[in-house]
Amino acid sequence: LAKTTQPISMDSYEGQEVNITCSHNNIATNDYITWYQQFPSQGPRFIIQGYKTKVTNEVASLFIPADRKSSTLSLPRVSLSDTAVYYCLVGAFISGGYNKLIFGAGTRLAVHP
Amino acid sequence: DAGITQSPRYKITETGRQVTLMCHQTWSHSYMFWYRQDLGHGLRLIYYSAAADITDKGEVPDGYVVSRSKTENFPLTLESATRSQTSVYFCASSPQALGQGSFGANVLTFGAGSRLTVL
Repeated sequence: LAKTTQPISMDSYEGQEVNITCSHNNIATNDYITWYQQFPSQGPRFIIQGYKTKVTNEVASLFIPADRKSSTLSLPRVSLSDTAVYYCLVGAFISGGYNKLIFGAGTRLAVHP
Repeated sequence: DAGITQSPRYKITETGRQVTLMCHQTWSHSYMFWYRQDLGHGLRLIYYSAAADITDKGEVPDGYVVSRSKTENFPLTLESATRSQTSVYFCASSPQALGQGSFGANVLTFGAGSRLTVL
C-alpha cells in the first residue's frame, strides 16, 4: 500500500493561493491520487482526483509530476470557509482485487482574515 | 432519501455492552467501509466490504464485527464495548471499479458520522 506524507498544518490568509504537497514514493501503476476535505463534525468530502499531469475542477487543481511520487493540491484564493483538514489518498480499486484506501493524518489548513 | 445515512448519530453506552452502528446507502454501491476517527487524528479503516457477503479487515479490526447480507446495509457491531472504542465512526461507500482509467470509480462518499461514547 502506498504511504503518504503531508505537512501536519498550514496557515494562510484570505485571498491567497494555498498549495499542499503530498509525498507518495511507492505509488503503484494502478493507483489514483485523491484528495478529500473534512470540516469539523462532518465526514470527509471528495475534492479532486488525478492520475498524472494536471487536473482542474471548480474547486481546486491537482498537479502531478511525471514520476508521480508526489502531488500538489492547489486552492486558489482561499476563504475562511476553506479552513479544514485535507487528506491525500493514494490507491485504487481494481475489479476482483481488494485495495484498502487508508487515510493519513491529513493537513490542517487554517485560513485567517 | 437518497444518499448514505448512519444511525444512531449519537450513542452513549457502558463498558461490556453490545452496540451496533447502522449504515445504509441508496446507490447500490458495491464497496462499503467503516472508519473510526479519534479526536485530533485521521481516519483509520476498521473493515470494508467489496460486495454482499464479502468483507475484509482493515487497519484496526479487533473488537469489531461486520456483516453485509444486503448490498445497501453494512452494520458495525461492537460485541463488548471498551472505553478505547470511544470515537466517531464514519461509514463510506464507493461504486464498483471498472478498472484502470475509470476516474471517479473509487471516490468515497461518507456518511455524517456516529459519535460513540463508552463509559
